[in-house]
Amino acid sequence: DGGITQSPKYLFRKEGQNVTLSCEQNLNHDAMYWYRQDPGQGLRLIYYSQIVNDFQKGDIAEGYSVSREKKESFPLTVTSAQKNPTAFYLCASSRDLANTGELFFGEGSRLTVL
Amino acid sequence: SQQGEEDPQALSIQEGENATMNCSYKTSINNLQWYRQNSGRGLVHLILIRSNEREKHSGRLRVTLDTSKKSSSLLITASRAADTASYFCATRGNKLTFGTGTQLKVEL
Repeated sequence: DGGITQSPKYLFRKEGQNVTLSCEQNLNHDAMYWYRQDPGQGLRLIYYSQIVNDFQKGDIAEGYSVSREKKESFPLTVTSAQKNPTAFYLCASSRDLANTGELFFGEGSRLTVL
Repeated sequence: SQQGEEDPQALSIQEGENATMNCSYKTSINNLQWYRQNSGRGLVHLILIRSNEREKHSGRLRVTLDTSKKSSSLLITASRAADTASYFCATRGNKLTFGTGTQLKVEL
């Protein structure tokens, strides 16, 4: 089955530590996205990528970093510079950036900073 | 900043009733999409309506779009307990921007 796989589903981190969230897709989509979701708020775009080795900042990129070394993979690193990292993180993909169609989402990763 | 704002924030109905959720937005769009999210899960695409369309149906879902009022509504007919979820509108301009969602609870 084609889809997006995020791991881990739950992650606990001590303050000052960097953590990396994994996102893998086998949909052969060019565009991939990372969103952050906080309680009572909608999704906010962190980073997006439309092609391998290229990515762009979204609305709330500070304290985050990404890489796109393979078409299938778009990992997100939450760095110690992110002031309030506890949140639900969602990875998504679409056929391409110019495609105005739907996004396909993973099941999310919940990060808690202790 | 959020483009779409859903109304109401929360809605509780009985099984079999219809549920209506509204979405307002601020700038011009190419299309508007509705997504569903079960608690603690990812979002699932429900339906897309283009800016030149006024109404669209998919099963028990009906979406309307009024570009002059910059608003859309999602109607779920004959609701079921399994429809309990959060529903988000997302507007496509230069990028896809999500609203804050409506939490729907369908009680038996």
